[in-house]
Amino acid sequence: EPEVTQTPSHQVTQMGQEVILRCVPISNHLYFYWYRQILGQKVEFLVSFYNNEISEKSEIFDDQFSVERPDGSNFTLKIRSTKLEDSAMYFCASRPQTVQSNEKLFFGSGTQLSVL
Amino acid sequence: GDSVTQMEGPVTLSEEAFLTINCTYTATGYPSLFWYVQYPGEGLQLLLKATKADDKGSNKGFEATYRKETTSFHLEKGSVQVSDSAVYFCALSDTNTGNQFYFGTGTSLTVIP
Repeated sequence: EPEVTQTPSHQVTQMGQEVILRCVPISNHLYFYWYRQILGQKVEFLVSFYNNEISEKSEIFDDQFSVERPDGSNFTLKIRSTKLEDSAMYFCASRPQTVQSNEKLFFGSGTQLSVL
Repeated sequence: GDSVTQMEGPVTLSEEAFLTINCTYTATGYPSLFWYVQYPGEGLQLLLKATKADDKGSNKGFEATYRKETTSFHLEKGSVQVSDSAVYFCALSDTNTGNQFYFGTGTSLTVIP
């Protein structure tokens, strides 16, 4: 089965630094997502992206966050000035062309971000 | 709003034991329900799904039935194996919020020989 690829698998950064988390969605998918999971808490929706723009975002996705699809294959999440509370596992996901509620998401293996 | 509440973990079972992981949901529309599994070092993978009330999803010996009357989607397996050790996530996708999935906290399962 095709895979969503995320890099790096682990990222350690200092508070206040910028980080970029990278994802390569499945090639013929058109909908892209970022989720995160703080240790012991729920997997939370951050943002969805379609047709080169954000289609939905959660309250978590404030001005410190941005997403980009710079070259038609990569899908990145940038955190401009990291805070301790940004420490979490970040999951990228993609979905095929159809957007129906019973269509599954394909997830990457995640990037564990640790902010010190 | 939509949400999923999942049984707290971790769960430790002996091989061949019966597994139940509870999941209940709240939704405003007509949700589809999913169980995802995450094996160590891997991403979330779809285990099974059910798209309407009374549907039963099944895969790899796991089953879950969509119960609208109790708003539940409990995961069961009659005889677990060591290879079933993983984290299991209950999730929903609602017709009213088609772009989003709502996940539970995940339940870690360890099966010992």
